[in-house]
Amino acid sequence: SQTIHQWPATLVQPVGSPLSLECTVEGTSNPNLYWYRQAAGRGLQLLFYSVGIGQISSEVPQNLSASRPQDRQFILSSKKLLLSDSGFYLCATGTLGEKLFFGSGTQLSVL
Amino acid sequence: AQSVTQLGSHVSVSEGALVLLRCNYSSSVPPYLFWYVQYPNQGLQLLLKYTSAATLVKGINGFEAEFKKSETSFHLTKPSAHMSDAAEYFCAVSSGGSYIPTFGRGTSLIVHP
Repeated sequence: SQTIHQWPATLVQPVGSPLSLECTVEGTSNPNLYWYRQAAGRGLQLLFYSVGIGQISSEVPQNLSASRPQDRQFILSSKKLLLSDSGFYLCATGTLGEKLFFGSGTQLSVL
Repeated sequence: AQSVTQLGSHVSVSEGALVLLRCNYSSSVPPYLFWYVQYPNQGLQLLLKYTSAATLVKGINGFEAEFKKSETSFHLTKPSAHMSDAAEYFCAVSSGGSYIPTFGRGTSLIVHP
């Protein structure tokens, strides 16, 4: 079965610093990959999704970016973090129309 | 376009009482519908999924949901709440050409002893 490794679990960063969150997937090939952000009381917001290496679709314009350098690796980045970037970031994978498998998440606090 | 509305950001029940979490969806084509559960500081886990095979869907941990097309609803129920059911619950819809799921804002279930 599919498993997702996501790290770090917790991250505290100052405003203006860079960000790199990594997600890797096991147990599947050519997976669809997603980055979601969960802010308090706002549910899950889809940030990016990818259907293949180098193919990234952005759902919400912001100062975050995503990359997929390898088939089972998905990276979320920022050059300069904002206070509003704080939240719980979740990586997920799944076949279109089927259930998603989620990583354990990264709690990001921007101070 | 697809969307999900979860009525009530918080639902409080007593242990042993009926659990009802509401979800209404909007989709221009027949949707796939999901309920996920999230425990504190964890990712989401699938509770159940509707894919048009049967309108009443049974999931894990005694939960079930009924698809009602006329009401565009997919409410989640459990006959008797347990303390371990306390968590955040998300309804999601997946439809159309991309089938990328859209999630509701979530409902926090609080269970009192």
